[in-house]
Amino acid sequence: AQSVTQLDSQVPVFEEAPVELRCNYSSSVSVYLFWYVQYPNQGLQLLLKYLSGSTLVKGINGFEAEFNKSQTSFHLRKPSVHISDTAEYFCAVSDMNTGFQKLVFGTGTRLLVSP
Amino acid sequence: GAVVSQHPSRVICKSGTSVKIECRSLDFQATTMFWYRQFPKQSLMLMATSNEGSKATYEQGVEKDKFLINHASLTLSTLTVTSAHPEDSSFYICSARGRLAGGTGELFFGEGSRLTVL
Repeated sequence: AQSVTQLDSQVPVFEEAPVELRCNYSSSVSVYLFWYVQYPNQGLQLLLKYLSGSTLVKGINGFEAEFNKSQTSFHLRKPSVHISDTAEYFCAVSDMNTGFQKLVFGTGTRLLVSP
Repeated sequence: GAVVSQHPSRVICKSGTSVKIECRSLDFQATTMFWYRQFPKQSLMLMATSNEGSKATYEQGVEKDKFLINHASLTLSTLTVTSAHPEDSSFYICSARGRLAGGTGELFFGEGSRLTVL
């Protein structure tokens, strides 16, 4: 079984500052990794995903994440945040055996961007 | 991108009553829909997977007689919480995967429905 840990429940940051949201996972098999964003009163939207290939994955809205197999991490980064990036961010994993059927989510990190 | 809509977004009901939540894919055919439950400050937990025209597959520990799932068409799945009790109060989220989305792995999520049982 897989599990996902998002250590930071909330990350406050000033506008135009860089940010990193941490995600660590555990799994006995190879995995696919995802980051989703949830804006207030909206559904989850896929930011980016790692399936295979390059460990540095670029997503929408200027976000990127790097898959580090040795550290079992998939941290999300953005070099300069905007007020509009304020949202809840979820890291998720699914194992390659079940494909995309079952996503295991972390508890989420609330990004708070202030002027 | 594809749109998945849930209704109602909020519902309050009395203990013992049943509540139905709808999940619709608005611009694509959803061969598979997933229902999640989210407790405050906790992860989304998969409750069940439903494929159009067949019975839902429930995750371990989820009571199928309490959480009735119907996926009668390619654009609609419903979750009915039967004889609801206060401990069923939660945020319920659906997601859908379309016919051609299997290779990309992308799921499209609804806005969620907050159920409060008094």
